[in-house]
Amino acid sequence: GAGVSQSPRYKVAKRGQDVALRCDPISGHVSLFWYQQALGQGPEFLTYFQNEAQLDKSGLPSDRFFAERPEGSVSTLKIQRTQQEDSAVYLCASSPGDWGVDTQYFGPGTRLTVL
Amino acid sequence: SQQGEEDPQALSIQEGENATMNCSYKTSINNLQWYRQNSGRGLVHLILIRSNEREKHSGRLRVTLDTSKKSSSLLITASRAADTASYFCATGPNTGTASKLTFGTGTRL
Repeated sequence: GAGVSQSPRYKVAKRGQDVALRCDPISGHVSLFWYQQALGQGPEFLTYFQNEAQLDKSGLPSDRFFAERPEGSVSTLKIQRTQQEDSAVYLCASSPGDWGVDTQYFGPGTRLTVL
Repeated sequence: SQQGEEDPQALSIQEGENATMNCSYKTSINNLQWYRQNSGRGLVHLILIRSNEREKHSGRLRVTLDTSKKSSSLLITASRAADTASYFCATGPNTGTASKLTFGTGTRL
């Protein structure tokens, strides 16, 4: 079946612009995660949804970052007033369950470049 | 912040040789996972080992876990050109609910 998809794959924004990044998880997956990956680094956790509930947003770096998953499937990560330090690859992952150990399935990511 | 570190940061080998990379982490874990990332593609899950397991195999992959030393190793046997990628270890914390992964810094093979 289809994996996790993300759009757009590449986004160039001028400093100060708002951007919206979309994630389509695997159908039926309860859990959805967003990660940020800077160049040459491992991914770092941003936020986690269980269905439509945002249960953990401890990794969001500032109040300019906002994520939602209103119907428990598609999720959007919004970054307001983008800054150059926001340049990174944003990865979305989903997993089937909401309890215990589950493999996370990652999308290809959105590469955001802020000029 | 990163949970741990992979060692070495970069590894260059010939096809057919074995590749070993190590991962150290800092806190108590429920499980440790290894992922591969090719340029232009997302992270691909390779193998998961639970905290009560010491060794696990999957095809040409062998993972070990030593919770007393807070370390893990990934061995790829008979490497191929297609194994060229970055490899990350990631830990899941010791909680009951679905949990975020904390990644290391990666090894470029």
